[in-house]
Amino acid sequence: QVQLQESGPGLVKPSETLSLTCTVSGGSISTYYWSWIRQPPEKGLEWIGYVYYSGSTKYNPSLKSRVTISIDTSRKQFSLKLRSVTAADTAVYYCTRGNFYYGMDVWGQGTTVTVSS
Amino acid sequence: DIQMTQSPSSLSASVGDRVTITCRASQGISNYLAWYQQKPGKVPKLLIYAASTLQSGVPSRFSGSGSGTDFTLTISSLQPEDVASYYCQKYNNALFTFGPGTKVDIK
Repeated sequence: QVQLQESGPGLVKPSETLSLTCTVSGGSISTYYWSWIRQPPEKGLEWIGYVYYSGSTKYNPSLKSRVTISIDTSRKQFSLKLRSVTAADTAVYYCTRGNFYYGMDVWGQGTTVTVSS
Repeated sequence: DIQMTQSPSSLSASVGDRVTITCRASQGISNYLAWYQQKPGKVPKLLIYAASTLQSGVPSRFSGSGSGTDFTLTISSLQPEDVASYYCQKYNNALFTFGPGTKVDIK
């Protein structure tokens, strides 16, 4: 079955760029929307944005000015870049697979990113 | 942008109780609504999609209903393993938005 694995630094300094990668295994990267979700400590889930396998993207309007999501279908990976981070960006970051019929059916295990100097 | 609200924000019920969680969209979303369960310290899990379709492997005590702006998630007989936060999510118009969540625990 399809599995997703997030990777990237667990600590990022304020004002720098948070970069994470999600690797897809056990299935195709085609015909799905690949999203990033985050969850600050003791808070709810926030959708950051998605990339379609074709490369088209859509972002949460509240984060749009700082976010870039890209995909490398040959490596079966998609990536998140979040610029100018602050402590408010400290969260568990999840990558997910989804579509507009059923939402998000596969989630990575999540990776904790702390923004601190 | 369409906003999602949930009520209550938390609830405490006894084992065997019927539990209902409400989710409301600020505009109509047809049936483009999913429910997720997140147990403490765990990854969220898809429970229901298209407002009322149970994801494979989800116990039949979970059910969903609604269309347009008002939706409900019902647990027909609460079990100890159902202690979790529950989130609704709309996914129409190429945007995903989560509700703020409802925390369910055992009385």
